[in-house]
Amino acid sequence: KAGVTQTPRYLIKTRGQQVTLSCSPISGHRSVSWYQQTPGQGLQFLFEYFSETQRNKGNFPGRFSGRQFSNSRSEMNVSTLELGDSALYLCASSLGPLTGALSEQYFGPGTRLTVT
Amino acid sequence: KNEVEQSPQNLTAQEGEFITINCSYSVGISALHWLQQHPGGGIVSLFMLSSGKKKHGRLIATINIQEKHSTLHITASHPRDSAVYICAVAPNFGNEKLTFGTGTRLTIIP
Repeated sequence: KAGVTQTPRYLIKTRGQQVTLSCSPISGHRSVSWYQQTPGQGLQFLFEYFSETQRNKGNFPGRFSGRQFSNSRSEMNVSTLELGDSALYLCASSLGPLTGALSEQYFGPGTRLTVT
Repeated sequence: KNEVEQSPQNLTAQEGEFITINCSYSVGISALHWLQQHPGGGIVSLFMLSSGKKKHGRLIATINIQEKHSTLHITASHPRDSAVYICAVAPNFGNEKLTFGTGTRLTIIP
């Protein structure tokens, strides 16, 4: 079974631009979570989607948004990029909240975004 | 104070040594995850625990819910174990919003 894939793997943008990152979950997984990792703040939760609905959101400004499609693939968008948005963006997929069972998360390789 | 604290921050050991990494948390949780991150960024989920102990090869993870504490042990450590180990907690069942520790950078010297 193929793992979680993220595209692109590397991206360089300039301040003020916007960017869209894509995440394809493991087949059968319906939950996709997004995380930002920076040297200063470590790993931080951005948002989680399940069945095309945003279930949870972290403490990030409205410039960060996302969506999930009917095939469970997810995209996140960052508008009006700032230098501080330079980070590794990771997505993780899981089965989701099925009957309250614990659901292991599987991480993608990440997209490294550099804002200049 | 962070909700999830790990210790030590950095750990260097000789090959073959027994390794212990600690994680303490201050909130109620439904599950605790141990993750491994190698240089380059890829994260691998090692364990997901809600109680007791789990073992996978040379890795052992335990959790004490009453004391809000978990440990990750590596037996017979090997240079390929060199990585950052991250503890993360999930607040309640079905909630994927993980809160992460700052990680422990482990270096195993041959």
